[in-house]
Amino acid sequence: EPEVTQTPSHQVTQMGQEVILRCVPISNHLYFYWYRQILGQKVEFLVSFYNNEISEKSEIFDDQFSVERPDGSNFTLKIRSTKLEDSAMYFCASNGGQEKTQYFGPGTRLLVL
Amino acid sequence: AQSVTQPDIHITVSEGASLELRCNYSYGATPYLFWYVQSPGQGLQLLLKYFSGDTLVQGIKGFEAEFKRSQSSFNLRKPSVHWSDAAEYFCAYSGGYNKLIFGAGTRLAVHP
Repeated sequence: EPEVTQTPSHQVTQMGQEVILRCVPISNHLYFYWYRQILGQKVEFLVSFYNNEISEKSEIFDDQFSVERPDGSNFTLKIRSTKLEDSAMYFCASNGGQEKTQYFGPGTRLLVL
Repeated sequence: AQSVTQPDIHITVSEGASLELRCNYSYGATPYLFWYVQSPGQGLQLLLKYFSGDTLVQGIKGFEAEFKRSQSSFNLRKPSVHWSDAAEYFCAYSGGYNKLIFGAGTRLAVHP
């Protein structure tokens, strides 16, 4: 069964460093999403991406964040200069075509020190 | 504003007992509704979904949910809980091919 994959599973970084989180969505999906979950809190929407551009973004998704689909399979989230409060689990999801259900990857746990 | 409310932060039930987790949404049109489950340190697994049609939907692991438009609710039920059901449960909705709005989650503990 197709699934969304994410790498790395865990990342530790120093405050101010850049991080890139990677996702491989399900191959025939057209819509891609990033969510984050701060420890103990609910899942929050960050950004959605369709047809090679951002379709919607939340207030959290400020200028420090960017997304890219560099090739036909990967979907990345970049944080340019990480802050302590960026520590969270980041989930990638995808859907599209006949499928409205969003399927989630296993997440990347980011820890900013 | 669009929102999802899960009024119960924590619920504890005995193994074998029935379960109902509450979810209310605020949305102008008929939403697409979902329940996801998250085990500690894990990702989000889809339990079930409602798009249209029969208001009682069946999901995996013996779960079901009922959409009640008049009450703006989509409560999750299971007739007999197993110890492995201990997890956090999230209700969510979307308008289609767009963002999911999640509730705050309900953490389920199961006593033997």
